[in-house]
Order: sequence, then C-alpha cells, then structure tokens
Amino acid sequence: DQQVKQNSPSLSVQEGRISILNCDYTNSMFDYFLWYKKYPAEGPTFLISISSIKDKNEDGRFTVFLNKSAKHLSLHIVPSQPGDSAVYFCAASFTGNQFYFGTGTSLTVIP
Amino acid sequence: DADVTQTPRNRITKTGKRIMLECSQTKGHDRMYWYRQDPGLGLQLIYYSFDVKDINKGEISDGYSVSRQAQAKFSLSLESAIPNQTALYFCATSDRRGGALNEQFFGPGTRLTVL
Repeated sequence: DQQVKQNSPSLSVQEGRISILNCDYTNSMFDYFLWYKKYPAEGPTFLISISSIKDKNEDGRFTVFLNKSAKHLSLHIVPSQPGDSAVYFCAASFTGNQFYFGTGTSLTVIP
Repeated sequence: DADVTQTPRNRITKTGKRIMLECSQTKGHDRMYWYRQDPGLGLQLIYYSFDVKDINKGEISDGYSVSRQAQAKFSLSLESAIPNQTALYFCATSDRRGGALNEQFFGPGTRLTVL
C-alpha cells in the first residue's frame, strides 16, 4: 500500500501565479517530510523540508505547509517560473532513516 | 564533476542474466541508498547502508542484493534479472550528521531494461 500519495499526476499554471502541490500520507507516525524536484534525465534534488513540530517552513519562493490532523502537506511556489517545470516528489519518514516517496506531480509553468 | 555517479547509465539485458549497477560518491557521506522508480509508483527503497558494515533491506529487496565495498561505493546486483525489474534505478547518499531531516543527494540514474 502506498503510504504517501500525490493524487494529482500533473498540474499546469501560468507564469507568475501560485503553484500548489499536494501530498497525503496514511502513517500517523511520520514526523519528517521532504520535497524533491526532478528534471528529466537527472536524479531528484532536495527542495525543502519540514518536521512535525512545525506547520510551515519557508525558503524563498517555496513554502511547505503541514496539517498533521489531516495527514496532508502542500508545497506552494510563488511566483511560479518556467524553470520550476519539473516533477515534484514528497517523501515522509518516522525515523529519519528510511523515506517513503509519493508518486510525483509533474508541474508545467506556462510562460 | 558529479558528486554521485552511477554506471552504467543505460543497460539492456536478457532474462536470467546477472547484472551489477555501481554507485560512487565523492561527498564523504556515510549513508548510501538504492531506489527504483517505476511509472506511476514513485521511488521505492531497495536497500540502504549506514556504513560499510551496515546493510538494511528496504521496501522491495526481493530479487536484489547489495555490496558496500567502501564508504564511497555501493553496488546493486540482480542475480537473475526478470522483466519486471525493468525500471529506473537511483543511488543516493546522505550525511548522518544532517539529522532526521537529512537531505539525500541522488545520482543521475541507471535505466535498466530486461528483455
């Protein structure tokens, strides 16, 4: 069973607007969450993280929100830029050792 | 030069063949991981190693084995490849000093096709 789910396989937004990528998880023991970005023919690269003691973490244009009661996290990108077009994976862990990845959301930012 | 390298980048093989995928890193990290990515399934952990003498199974270790030859090298073997092992394989590293939110650094991936 997939413990981390990204229910939107793809998302298109206009340049300059907000991109919101969503992630749901089933294991209430998860307490560390990361977002990765992946371009074609490359490995994923780390974007931003959050621990369960927080509900928000911000890094420049990227903000991750965590709603523990709903077992939901989201990544907001504002403003979206064409270079943000990539596949985004969320990942979760309860030990910090082994991370469970979602299936990914392909973001297209239209110039 | 890339910090995490994987060889080969592409491989086509036949059912029943033994295949080894290699991963090397220059980041000085003690932790290394092997993942596979299938369309629609995201990344799944096959094996991970926290140091040369420590090897752990991940979610989908059946049909795979690993060897941590040195801190910088972690290889993945398919003893007898089967078609459903066709996938994109990623190696990753992390630094234990990064704590629980330890970012993983990924290699570029190896595309393996088993006919």
